[in-house]
Amino acid sequence: DTAVSQTPKYLVTQMGNDKSIKCEQNLGHDTMYWYKQDSKKFLKIMFSYNNKELIINETVPNRFSPKSPDKAHLNLHINSLELGDSAVYFCASSPSRINTEAFFGQGTRLTVV
Amino acid sequence: DQQVKQNSPSLSVQEGRISILNCDYTNSMFDYFLWYKKYPAEGPTFLISISSIKDKNEDGRFTVFLNKSAKHLSLHIVPSQPGDSAVYFCAATGGSGNTGKLIFGQGTTLQVKP
Repeated sequence: DTAVSQTPKYLVTQMGNDKSIKCEQNLGHDTMYWYKQDSKKFLKIMFSYNNKELIINETVPNRFSPKSPDKAHLNLHINSLELGDSAVYFCASSPSRINTEAFFGQGTRLTVV
Repeated sequence: DQQVKQNSPSLSVQEGRISILNCDYTNSMFDYFLWYKKYPAEGPTFLISISSIKDKNEDGRFTVFLNKSAKHLSLHIVPSQPGDSAVYFCAATGGSGNTGKLIFGQGTTLQVKP
């Protein structure tokens, strides 16, 4: 029973397309995150939601828009995809914004061609 | 500006010996530190953490040491096992207005040889 699940695991798409990555956690956590791992393997935070409220919005192009319909879900929508968006995107959750022992999903490898 | 650094991209040790992974940070406001382990094609999994009020935390074969004055922490794995072969990420968080954001190092690839 997967704690943090994200779909799809792999996504190949053309430049200019719009795509979404979905994330769900069944841990009852209040806080969810999106992290990006780039080609240099750095893991960097993009967004965080706490009980459906946006609390972290790093310097991310506004083509990226997170949506949290409820505290168990945090989806990531990306408009007008660019080659530089190719990366692995990880969803994560933690019990609260203070308790940061985050649980990660398996990642979505996005390839823009 | 990389606030958390893991200066060794890779480490190779023999099974049964000790593995020592190092991490340095620059932000003195960090008050909580974590180690994550990552296998290929999987997400990072939480391994062990330490609060800045402590200098050591132990969990089975894994021990994390924190030297606040040097802004340095290390993860010791004793004895190392082949299944420990993975990428290890150090992460830090904290400071005023803590939002739970984790700042990660760039990772160290550990290979444990049988």
